[in-house]
Amino acid sequence: EAGVAQSPRYKIIEKRQSVAFWCNPISGHATLYWYQQILGQGPKLLIQFQNNGVVDDSQLPKDRFSAERLKGVDSTLKIQPAKLEDSAVYLCASTPGSYNSPLHFGNGTRLTVT
Amino acid sequence: GESVGLHLPTLSVQEGDNSIINCAYSNSASDYFIWYKQESGKGPQFIIDIRSNMDKRQGQRVTVLLNKTVKHLSLQIAATQPGDSAVYFCAENGGDYKLSFGAGTTVTVRA
Repeated sequence: EAGVAQSPRYKIIEKRQSVAFWCNPISGHATLYWYQQILGQGPKLLIQFQNNGVVDDSQLPKDRFSAERLKGVDSTLKIQPAKLEDSAVYLCASTPGSYNSPLHFGNGTRLTVT
Repeated sequence: GESVGLHLPTLSVQEGDNSIINCAYSNSASDYFIWYKQESGKGPQFIIDIRSNMDKRQGQRVTVLLNKTVKHLSLQIAATQPGDSAVYFCAENGGDYKLSFGAGTTVTVRA
């Protein structure tokens, strides 16, 4: 089966600019996650979707980050305006939705904010 | 707060030797644990998982041990190969479909 697809692979922007990331999960996976991974750290959950509804966005900085999953398939994560500390790899993951099943990750988008 | 953590940030191992990577967790409600491998420029890749009703689970060249008494998880890699060089993360599910990750252990295999 095809894996989780993410684009772009790399993005460099200046602070205060906006940026968007795209994720296409594995076909049929109901649950989708966005994680932020700062260099040298483990991934940190930003938001979790179940189909097209938000399950948990408690860790999402909502003053600048937004995410949507229209039609319960693809998802976009947006940052506006970006700050220097947003430099990180943004990982998308999906799972069928059954309890205690592993997350399947994409290769991420590496964002550099200058 | 509750967190997942690894004992050592780095591990250097001779090719052919066995590797042991340790992880401590503090959420006693966690009932599912996963080990991931992350190579440079890639996303985390699933290695093996274990549920809290088990103490041990084996895969191909890997074994995960779970000690719930002391809240400790370990990953053993047999006959470590150069391709095993990567960052290894343990992750736990505290009962809400979300995984919490530790900081990772960087494994370097010496030829």
